[in-house]
Amino acid sequence: NAGVMQNPRHLVRRRGQEARLRCSPMKGHSHVYWYRQLPEEGLKFMVYLQKENIIDESGMPKERFSAEFPKEGPSILRIQQVVRGDSAAYFCASSPTSGGYNEQFFGPGTRLTVL
Amino acid sequence: QQPVQSPQAVILREGEDAVINCSSSKALYSVHWYRQKHGEAPVFLMILLKGGEQKGHEKISASFNEKKQQSSLYLTASQLSYSGTYFCGTVPRLGSGGSNYKLTFGKGTLLTVNP
Repeated sequence: NAGVMQNPRHLVRRRGQEARLRCSPMKGHSHVYWYRQLPEEGLKFMVYLQKENIIDESGMPKERFSAEFPKEGPSILRIQQVVRGDSAAYFCASSPTSGGYNEQFFGPGTRLTVL
Repeated sequence: QQPVQSPQAVILREGEDAVINCSSSKALYSVHWYRQKHGEAPVFLMILLKGGEQKGHEKISASFNEKKQQSSLYLTASQLSYSGTYFCGTVPRLGSGGSNYKLTFGKGTLLTVNP
């Protein structure tokens, strides 16, 4: 059973470009969470999605950031017009259902570097 | 609010024991523990739930004091493979503020095990 897949693993963008990060949850998981991690920091919640629905995007900046989890295909986190402060590791996690009872399984992350 | 972890860092020799603490200001439903090695995904270790239930690795020991909103992770007879950063993530009880699916992580405890 494959784990959570993320690609690309490393992404370099120049300021002003767009970054698209992809996440395929574990088989059978329909709940996806995105987190951002800055160096020497913990993981910060960004957004929680179920298939075709954004449930909670309270941790996501209102400008330039968007997320989706279509009926078919991976979840995508999009960052438009990237700035240097967007440089971070972005992790997605998945779970079979929601709720604090369930563990979230993390993918390997995408390390975004903005030049 | 972010849970507070202590200590921030600990260095052990192989075979020694360590305790990592996690404290929250909110009434909690569950506490989740993860270990992350540098450049890798966080790996699930354990969930401790209100009421005493636990889910996770048999070799990992942890406690959850519901009254004090504190959890401790016990690492005994440490091995080199235990090295990494340990994060606790908390899920608040309904009505305590926050959502029952959103993990709020501490800043982590860096554990180094030397031969």
